[in-house]
Amino acid sequence: GQSLEQPSEVTAVEGAIVQINCTYQTSGFYGLSWYQQHDGGAPTFLSYNALDGLEETGRFSSFLSRSDSYGYLLLQELQMKDSASYFCAAESGNMLTFGGGTRLMVKP
Amino acid sequence: DAEITQSPRHKITETGRQVTLACHQTWNHNNMFWYRQDLGHGLRLIHYSYGVQDTNKGEVSDGYSVSRSNTEDLPLTLESAASSQTSVYFCASSDGAGGTEAFFGQGTRLTVV
Repeated sequence: GQSLEQPSEVTAVEGAIVQINCTYQTSGFYGLSWYQQHDGGAPTFLSYNALDGLEETGRFSSFLSRSDSYGYLLLQELQMKDSASYFCAAESGNMLTFGGGTRLMVKP
Repeated sequence: DAEITQSPRHKITETGRQVTLACHQTWNHNNMFWYRQDLGHGLRLIHYSYGVQDTNKGEVSDGYSVSRSNTEDLPLTLESAASSQTSVYFCASSDGAGGTEAFFGQGTRLTVV
Protein backbone atom coordinates (compact mmCIF):
# COMPACT_ATOMS: atom_id res chain seq x y z
CA GLY A 1 0.00 0.00 0.00
CA GLN A 2 0.89 3.64 -0.04
CA SER A 3 1.15 5.95 2.94
CA LEU A 4 2.47 9.46 3.48
CA GLU A 5 2.89 11.19 6.81
CA GLN A 6 3.05 14.92 7.37
CA PRO A 7 2.34 17.14 10.39
CA SER A 8 -1.28 18.17 10.71
CA GLU A 9 -0.63 21.79 11.58
CA VAL A 10 2.17 24.36 11.54
CA THR A 11 2.11 27.98 12.70
CA ALA A 12 4.61 30.67 11.72
CA VAL A 13 4.86 34.46 11.61
CA GLU A 14 4.87 36.65 8.56
CA GLY A 15 8.33 36.95 7.03
CA ALA A 16 9.62 33.76 8.61
CA ILE A 17 10.71 30.47 7.04
CA VAL A 18 8.78 27.24 7.57
CA GLN A 19 9.53 23.66 6.61
CA ILE A 20 6.81 21.04 6.11
CA ASN A 21 8.10 17.47 6.24
CA CYS A 22 6.75 14.42 4.50
CA THR A 23 7.76 10.79 4.90
CA TYR A 24 6.42 8.17 2.56
CA GLN A 25 6.11 4.45 2.09
CA THR A 26 5.09 3.60 -1.44
CA SER A 27 5.70 0.87 -3.94
CA GLY A 28 6.86 1.86 -7.39
CA PHE A 29 7.77 5.36 -6.17
CA TYR A 30 8.54 7.74 -9.00
CA GLY A 31 8.57 11.19 -7.43
CA LEU A 32 7.10 13.54 -4.83
CA SER A 33 4.80 16.45 -5.58
CA TRP A 34 3.50 19.27 -3.40
CA TYR A 35 0.09 20.91 -3.70
CA GLN A 36 -1.42 23.95 -2.01
CA GLN A 37 -5.10 24.25 -1.14
CA HIS A 38 -6.81 27.33 0.24
CA ASP A 39 -10.01 26.88 2.21
CA GLY A 40 -12.88 26.19 -0.15
CA GLY A 41 -10.58 25.91 -3.14
CA ALA A 42 -9.04 23.24 -5.30
CA PRO A 43 -5.53 21.84 -4.82
CA THR A 44 -2.97 23.54 -7.03
CA PHE A 45 0.44 22.23 -8.03
CA LEU A 46 3.53 23.75 -6.41
CA SER A 47 6.51 21.56 -7.19
CA TYR A 48 7.82 18.13 -8.07
CA ASN A 49 10.99 16.17 -7.23
CA ALA A 50 12.02 13.00 -8.98
CA LEU A 51 15.71 13.17 -8.09
CA ASP A 52 17.42 13.75 -4.75
CA GLY A 53 18.10 17.34 -3.93
CA LEU A 54 16.51 20.74 -3.80
CA GLU A 55 14.20 22.31 -6.39
CA GLU A 56 13.61 26.05 -6.05
CA THR A 57 10.63 27.93 -7.40
CA GLY A 58 10.59 31.50 -6.15
CA ARG A 59 9.85 31.59 -2.42
CA PHE A 60 9.08 27.88 -2.38
CA SER A 61 11.63 25.06 -2.46
CA SER A 62 11.14 21.33 -2.28
CA PHE A 63 13.62 18.66 -1.25
CA LEU A 64 13.72 14.91 -1.75
CA SER A 65 15.86 12.13 -0.30
CA ARG A 66 14.90 8.84 -1.93
CA SER A 67 17.18 6.82 0.34
CA ASP A 68 15.38 8.22 3.41
CA SER A 69 11.88 8.19 1.82
CA TYR A 70 11.65 11.78 2.95
CA GLY A 71 10.92 15.15 1.50
CA TYR A 72 10.06 18.64 2.60
CA LEU A 73 8.57 21.86 1.35
CA LEU A 74 10.33 25.05 2.40
CA LEU A 75 8.45 28.31 2.32
CA GLN A 76 10.47 31.50 2.71
CA GLU A 77 9.44 35.11 3.41
CA LEU A 78 6.05 33.93 4.54
CA GLN A 79 3.07 36.04 3.58
CA MET A 80 -0.44 36.00 4.99
CA LYS A 81 -1.69 34.58 1.69
CA ASP A 82 0.44 31.47 2.29
CA SER A 83 -2.05 30.40 4.97
CA ALA A 84 -3.42 27.23 3.42
CA SER A 85 -3.16 23.44 3.54
CA TYR A 86 -0.17 21.80 1.91
CA PHE A 87 -0.18 18.23 0.66
CA CYS A 88 2.67 15.99 -0.34
CA ALA A 89 1.77 13.41 -2.97
CA ALA A 90 3.74 10.36 -4.08
CA GLU A 91 3.67 9.51 -7.75
CA SER A 92 3.51 5.84 -8.65
CA GLY A 93 2.84 5.02 -12.26
CA ASN A 94 0.53 7.81 -13.38
CA MET A 95 -1.21 7.95 -10.02
CA LEU A 96 -0.86 10.34 -7.07
CA THR A 97 -1.36 9.26 -3.46
CA PHE A 98 -1.76 12.18 -1.07
CA GLY A 99 -0.74 12.71 2.51
CA GLY A 100 -3.26 13.97 5.03
CA GLY A 101 -2.19 17.59 4.58
CA THR A 102 -0.52 20.21 6.77
CA ARG A 103 -2.50 23.28 7.69
CA LEU A 104 -0.19 26.30 7.74
CA MET A 105 -1.31 29.34 9.68
CA VAL A 106 0.69 32.52 9.12
CA LYS A 107 0.32 35.13 11.84
CA PRO A 108 1.19 38.82 11.59
CA ASP B 1 -8.13 28.32 -22.00
CA ALA B 2 -8.22 24.66 -21.14
CA GLU B 3 -10.01 23.80 -17.94
CA ILE B 4 -11.57 21.08 -15.83
CA THR B 5 -15.09 21.62 -14.55
CA GLN B 6 -17.28 19.75 -12.12
CA SER B 7 -21.03 19.85 -11.74
CA PRO B 8 -22.96 20.33 -9.67
CA ARG B 9 -20.92 22.35 -7.17
CA HIS B 10 -23.29 21.47 -4.35
CA LYS B 11 -25.81 18.68 -4.02
CA ILE B 12 -28.03 17.31 -1.30
CA THR B 13 -29.49 13.86 -1.81
CA GLU B 14 -31.30 11.24 0.19
CA THR B 15 -29.93 7.95 1.40
CA GLY B 16 -30.40 5.20 -1.15
CA ARG B 17 -30.66 7.43 -4.21
CA GLN B 18 -28.34 7.11 -7.19
CA VAL B 19 -26.24 10.21 -7.76
CA THR B 20 -23.92 11.12 -10.63
CA LEU B 21 -21.25 13.80 -10.40
CA ALA B 22 -19.94 15.17 -13.67
CA CYS B 23 -16.34 15.98 -14.57
CA HIS B 24 -15.35 17.51 -17.91
CA GLN B 25 -11.85 18.51 -19.00
CA THR B 26 -10.68 20.29 -22.11
CA TRP B 27 -6.95 19.62 -21.59
CA ASN B 28 -7.17 16.49 -23.77
CA HIS B 29 -5.53 14.60 -20.91
CA ASN B 30 -5.52 10.81 -20.92
CA ASN B 31 -5.51 10.46 -17.13
CA MET B 32 -8.50 11.38 -15.01
CA PHE B 33 -9.04 10.81 -11.30
CA TRP B 34 -11.75 11.12 -8.67
CA TYR B 35 -10.83 11.90 -5.06
CA ARG B 36 -12.86 12.49 -1.95
CA GLN B 37 -11.69 14.84 0.76
CA ASP B 38 -12.72 14.48 4.37
CA LEU B 39 -11.35 16.27 7.40
CA GLY B 40 -8.28 14.45 8.67
CA HIS B 41 -7.98 12.17 5.64
CA GLY B 42 -6.59 14.40 2.95
CA LEU B 43 -7.44 13.34 -0.57
CA ARG B 44 -8.30 9.69 -1.09
CA LEU B 45 -8.45 8.13 -4.52
CA ILE B 46 -11.80 6.63 -5.53
CA HIS B 47 -11.38 5.66 -9.19
CA TYR B 48 -9.09 6.56 -12.03
CA SER B 49 -8.80 6.17 -15.77
CA TYR B 50 -5.80 6.16 -18.08
CA GLY B 51 -7.83 6.51 -21.26
CA VAL B 52 -11.08 5.79 -23.04
CA GLN B 53 -12.72 2.54 -21.88
CA ASP B 54 -10.13 2.19 -19.09
CA THR B 55 -11.21 2.41 -15.44
CA ASN B 56 -9.50 1.31 -12.24
CA LYS B 57 -10.40 1.12 -8.57
CA GLY B 58 -8.64 3.32 -6.10
CA GLU B 59 -8.25 3.18 -2.34
CA VAL B 60 -11.93 3.83 -1.47
CA SER B 61 -13.93 2.56 -4.44
CA ASP B 62 -16.73 0.67 -2.65
CA GLY B 63 -20.12 2.16 -3.51
CA TYR B 64 -18.79 4.16 -6.48
CA SER B 65 -18.44 3.52 -10.20
CA VAL B 66 -17.07 5.40 -13.19
CA SER B 67 -17.18 5.06 -16.95
CA ARG B 68 -14.96 6.60 -19.63
CA SER B 69 -16.64 6.78 -23.01
CA ASN B 70 -14.59 9.71 -24.30
CA THR B 71 -11.43 11.61 -23.40
CA GLU B 72 -13.17 14.63 -21.89
CA ASP B 73 -15.54 13.10 -19.33
CA LEU B 74 -15.34 10.85 -16.28
CA PRO B 75 -18.66 10.82 -14.44
CA LEU B 76 -18.72 9.40 -10.91
CA THR B 77 -21.81 7.48 -9.85
CA LEU B 78 -22.85 6.66 -6.31
CA GLU B 79 -25.02 3.61 -6.80
CA SER B 80 -26.97 3.95 -3.55
CA ALA B 81 -25.92 7.01 -1.59
CA ALA B 82 -25.01 6.55 2.06
CA SER B 83 -24.39 9.12 4.79
CA SER B 84 -20.76 7.98 4.89
CA GLN B 85 -20.41 9.34 1.37
CA THR B 86 -21.05 12.90 2.50
CA SER B 87 -17.83 14.57 1.42
CA VAL B 88 -16.19 16.98 -0.98
CA TYR B 89 -15.38 15.31 -4.28
CA PHE B 90 -12.56 16.46 -6.56
CA CYS B 91 -11.92 15.45 -10.12
CA ALA B 92 -8.43 15.82 -11.57
CA SER B 93 -6.65 15.22 -14.85
CA SER B 94 -3.05 14.93 -16.02
CA ASP B 95 -1.29 14.08 -19.24
CA GLY B 96 0.50 11.12 -17.72
CA ALA B 97 4.14 12.06 -18.15
CA GLY B 98 6.23 11.60 -15.02
CA GLY B 99 5.99 14.55 -12.68
CA THR B 100 3.29 16.21 -14.68
CA GLU B 101 1.05 18.58 -12.84
CA ALA B 102 -2.45 17.33 -12.05
CA PHE B 103 -5.21 19.89 -12.60
CA PHE B 104 -8.15 19.81 -10.22
CA GLY B 105 -11.74 20.86 -10.64
CA GLN B 106 -13.33 23.17 -8.07
CA GLY B 107 -14.98 20.30 -6.23
CA THR B 108 -18.51 19.10 -5.53
CA ARG B 109 -19.82 19.23 -2.01
CA LEU B 110 -22.20 16.30 -1.59
CA THR B 111 -24.45 15.88 1.42
CA VAL B 112 -26.38 12.64 1.90
CA VAL B 113 -29.27 12.98 4.33
